[in-house]
Amino acid sequence: AQSVSQHNHHVILSEAASLELGCNYSYGGTVNLFWYVQYPGQHLQLLLKYFSGDPLVKGIKGFEAEFIKSKFSFNLRKPSVQWSDTAEYFCAVNSPAGGTSYGKLTFGQGTILTVHP
Amino acid sequence: DGGITQSPKYLFRKEGQNVTLSCEQNLNHDAMYWYRQDPGQGLRLIYYSQIVNDFQKGDIAEGYSVSREKKESFPLTVTSAQKNPTAFYLCASSFAVGGDQPQHFGDGTRLSIL
Repeated sequence: AQSVSQHNHHVILSEAASLELGCNYSYGGTVNLFWYVQYPGQHLQLLLKYFSGDPLVKGIKGFEAEFIKSKFSFNLRKPSVQWSDTAEYFCAVNSPAGGTSYGKLTFGQGTILTVHP
Repeated sequence: DGGITQSPKYLFRKEGQNVTLSCEQNLNHDAMYWYRQDPGQGLRLIYYSQIVNDFQKGDIAEGYSVSREKKESFPLTVTSAQKNPTAFYLCASSFAVGGDQPQHFGDGTRLSIL
């Protein structure tokens, strides 16, 4: 079974600081990777996704993530955070075909990001 | 606008009572999902459905039941067998199960025990 681990439960930053949220997964096969964001009072929405190709993917609102296969990692980054980035961030993984994990999107525990103005 | 509608937003359950959470989507998606969100545990999959009249257990299906009689609807029943039902429940849908299909989420239902 696949699992996803997010290293930090709560990250507190000041505006303009750089952000990196860690995400590691345990599945050894081909995976699709996602970052979702949940702003206060809003529904969960897709931030970015990786399926294949360039391991550096860019998402909405200036976020990017890098897939490092050898490290089973998919860390989320943003060079300069804003107060409006305050939210909870979830890393998720599914396997594209076959196996017992097919069809299941496995989420990490979530990281709460608080940005102070 | 297309989207996923969950109702009610807040729900209270008495001991020994079954309650049903509604999820409707107008995105023409084949696949639908139910997740439970608890603080510090992320989202855990309860049930999912790839197509009408078909559904599979997720990782924490005990104490829950679902039906998929219509493409647009995937109601979740929290039965009295679920001993710790207090949580935030999220419904999602996608064009298909797995692969490169991102899931779209509803606003959630918060269930509490009286």
